[in-house]
Order: sequence, then structure tokens, then C-alpha cells
Amino acid sequence: AQKITQTQPGMFVQEKEAVTLDCTYDTSDPSYGLFWYKQPSSGEMIFLIYQGSYDQQNATEGRYSLNFQKARKSANLVISASQLGDSAMYFCAHNLGGTSGSRLTFGEGTQLTVNP
Amino acid sequence: GAVVSQHPSWVICKSGTSVKIECRSLDFQATTMFWYRQFPKQSLMLMATSNEGSKATYEQGVEKDKFLINHASLTLSTLTVTSAHPEDSSFYICSASQGDRQETQYFGPGTRLLVL
Repeated sequence: AQKITQTQPGMFVQEKEAVTLDCTYDTSDPSYGLFWYKQPSSGEMIFLIYQGSYDQQNATEGRYSLNFQKARKSANLVISASQLGDSAMYFCAHNLGGTSGSRLTFGEGTQLTVNP
Repeated sequence: GAVVSQHPSWVICKSGTSVKIECRSLDFQATTMFWYRQFPKQSLMLMATSNEGSKATYEQGVEKDKFLINHASLTLSTLTVTSAHPEDSSFYICSASQGDRQETQYFGPGTRLLVL
């Protein structure tokens, strides 16, 4: 079974600084997808970034980048220039095949707090 | 584009009653829809996967007779919590997929259920 591990229950960062949220995964399947979602207190799941297992370059989306280290099975999220609105729960997720039709397995989440 | 709605957003009911939650893909056809449950301070747990026109596939430990899922069309899936009890109180969130596309699932805003 696939397993996603987020070892940081909570993280704090100063506004305008960068922060890295850790995520490791465990799968023997060669084809998979890695996702990061943001969940503010309202509960909605906001998609941030996607990395396919065969992608050669690390994914980037605006202030979000995914540090994909395949051999270490890690997919850390880097948020640059943190903003107060970034305070939320962040979930790393994984699926097999990397397509949207496959079930997602989520990590336990990291609560990020951005301090002014 | 790729908007998923859920209705209702909040529901409070008495123990023993049944509650129906709707999940709609507003601007795309969802070949697959997923239902998750999230307890406070915890991660999302997949309950079931439903494909249009076929029976839902339930995760281990999820009672099929208690959580009835119907995916009658490519834009609508419903989750009915039958004979709800206080322990069923949770945040229920659906997601929709366009199938084999290399992209994320799209999440609804969630439904908070409180059973008294």
C-alpha cells in the first residue's frame, strides 16, 4: 500500500521568508503522481502543484515549487516569499499512474503559520 | 473552469435520520468521483470511488449499507448517510476527475455534518 509521510505537524515562518514543507512517499510503482493541497480553515481543498514520476524537472507554480528527489522518495513543497494568507493546513498526496482518475492517498498534513 | 459544488454546505440532523449530500461537476464531465471524510485535525480519508453508471468501490472499513453512493450521471454523485449517529458527524468532501488526464482531481467545498 502507498504511504505518505509528513513529519512536521506544525511549521512557523516569518512573512516574506521561504519555507519548506517535507513529504516522503513509499511506493514500488514506477508511475505515480505527487500533489500538494492547501486547506484553509474554511475547509476547501486548494490544488497547488503536481509532479509526475517521469517528469525530469521540478514542478513550479508561481511561489510554489516542488523539490522532487526521486531516489530519496521525497517531494518537499517550497513556498517562497510567504504571505499571511499562506497560513493553512498543507497536505501532500500521492496516486498511482499519475492521472486524475486514480485514488489519492494523503499525508497527515502540516499546519503552517505565517507570522507578521 | 473545473468547478465542483457540494450541497448542502452545512447540515444538522437528529440521530436516526438520513442525510443526502450532492456533489456536482459544474463545467466538466466527471467520469470518476471520490468521497472523503475528514475528522477535526486529521487528514482526508477516502471512503469510496464511484464511476458513472456502476456501483461504487468502498474502502476497507466503510459500511456500504450506511454510506450509499449513487453516481447516476457524469455530473452528479450523491452520498446518503443512512440512520446517522453522532459518530458520523464529520466533514465530507467530494472530488471529481475527468478520467485519464494528467491533472489533479477537483474538490468540492465540503459538507459539515452534525448529528445530534
